[in-house]
Amino acid sequence: KQEVTQIPAALSVPEGENLVLNCSFTDSAIYNLQWFRQDPGKGLTSLLLIQSSQREQTSGRLNASLDKSSGRSTLYIAASQPGDSATYLCAARTGGFKTIFGAGTRLFVKA
Amino acid sequence: EAGVAQSPRYKIIEKRQSVAFWCNPISGHATLYWYQQILGQGPKLLIQFQNNGVVDDSQLPKDRFSAERLKGVDSTLKIQPAKLEDSAVYLCASSAPQGAPPETQYFGPGTRLLVL
Repeated sequence: KQEVTQIPAALSVPEGENLVLNCSFTDSAIYNLQWFRQDPGKGLTSLLLIQSSQREQTSGRLNASLDKSSGRSTLYIAASQPGDSATYLCAARTGGFKTIFGAGTRLFVKA
Repeated sequence: EAGVAQSPRYKIIEKRQSVAFWCNPISGHATLYWYQQILGQGPKLLIQFQNNGVVDDSQLPKDRFSAERLKGVDSTLKIQPAKLEDSAVYLCASSAPQGAPPETQYFGPGTRLLVL
């Protein structure tokens, strides 16, 4: 049974800092891995999707990597801004197209 | 392009009452998902539709929850009777044009349910 864990559960950093959010999954047989952002009281916004055959994806200040063999993905945020404050969720998609989410990392970027 | 629409946005009911949520996915998306997100947790998949058919409902509490997707477009999720532990945000998502494998999921704003 696939389980997804995100560490840390919460993170507070000063503005301008580069940071890494971690996501681990127990079953390496995934179809893809997706990172989402969730603002309070809102739905989820897709940030990056990495296919199982890919190693990383980049969008602006965000870079997500995937290492299936070790069951890990990281989301790198460069030059963090107060507007980046949100909860970041990773989700692993299994071969049966079931999506398993982690509990998320709550990020607070201080101005 | 219009996003995923959900209604109502908020609902407060008493336990043992029934409630229904509605979702309109992005036009042309064949796959529709309902998730339950309890405060402080990640979303948990309740049911996944591919067009009209159910792909996965293994985590749907079928004694009280039901869902349908008539004509492969809109969907409704119903809870009857509601319990206190059903208090959560119910998220609807959709993905993939017809004939394409499910990829990026697009989420609606969610319905916040409070059961008293």
